[in-house]
Amino acid sequence: AQKVTQAQTEISVVEKEDVTLDCVYETRDTTYYLFWYKQPPSGELVFLIRRNSFDEQNEISGRYSWNFQKSTSSFNFTITASQVVDSAVYFCALSDRYTGGGNKLTFGTGTQLKVEL
Amino acid sequence: NAGVTQTPKFQVLKTGQSMTLQCAQDMNHNSMYWYRQDPGMGLRLIYYSASEGTTDKGEVPNGYNVSRLNKREFSLRLESAAPSQTSVYFCASSRDSRTSGNTIYFGEGSWLTVV
Repeated sequence: AQKVTQAQTEISVVEKEDVTLDCVYETRDTTYYLFWYKQPPSGELVFLIRRNSFDEQNEISGRYSWNFQKSTSSFNFTITASQVVDSAVYFCALSDRYTGGGNKLTFGTGTQLKVEL
Repeated sequence: NAGVTQTPKFQVLKTGQSMTLQCAQDMNHNSMYWYRQDPGMGLRLIYYSASEGTTDKGEVPNGYNVSRLNKREFSLRLESAAPSQTSVYFCASSRDSRTSGNTIYFGEGSWLTVV
């Protein structure tokens, strides 16, 4: 069965610090997809990134970067020079297919990031 | 720029009352989903609809029913609300049910309290 573990329940940093959010996953599928979503205090879920299991290249988007390592089943998310606006709950999620179609997301329990001045 | 729209945003129900959460997407997506979010448990899938005319149970379907009204709309009904159904409900959609790994886009959430 699929499982996503985000062991860090809450992280507090001071603005401009770098912070890494950990995500460890379990799956028996050879083809799978990993996602990160952001949930700011307003409550909506914002898609950040999707990565498939065949692409282990790290990705950088502005201050955000993602490190995917199949050998350790991890898909970690780093924010460089954090800002107060980065304060949110961040969810890691894993996807495979149900028989008959549809895409199921298995979510981790989320990491609450607080960035203080 | 609407994406996934769900209503109502907030609702308080008494135990035993019924209600329907409405959801519509304007991205021409085939698949739609209902998730619930509870503290410390992440999001869990209630029901999904891989394509118009089909619905299937997710991880936590008990106490809920769904209707895929057309390609755009997917509603979630609580027939007899219970306090355990106090949660934040998210509707979501994705492009193609036949291809793995489609990005799932979420609505803004509906906060439901059952007293």
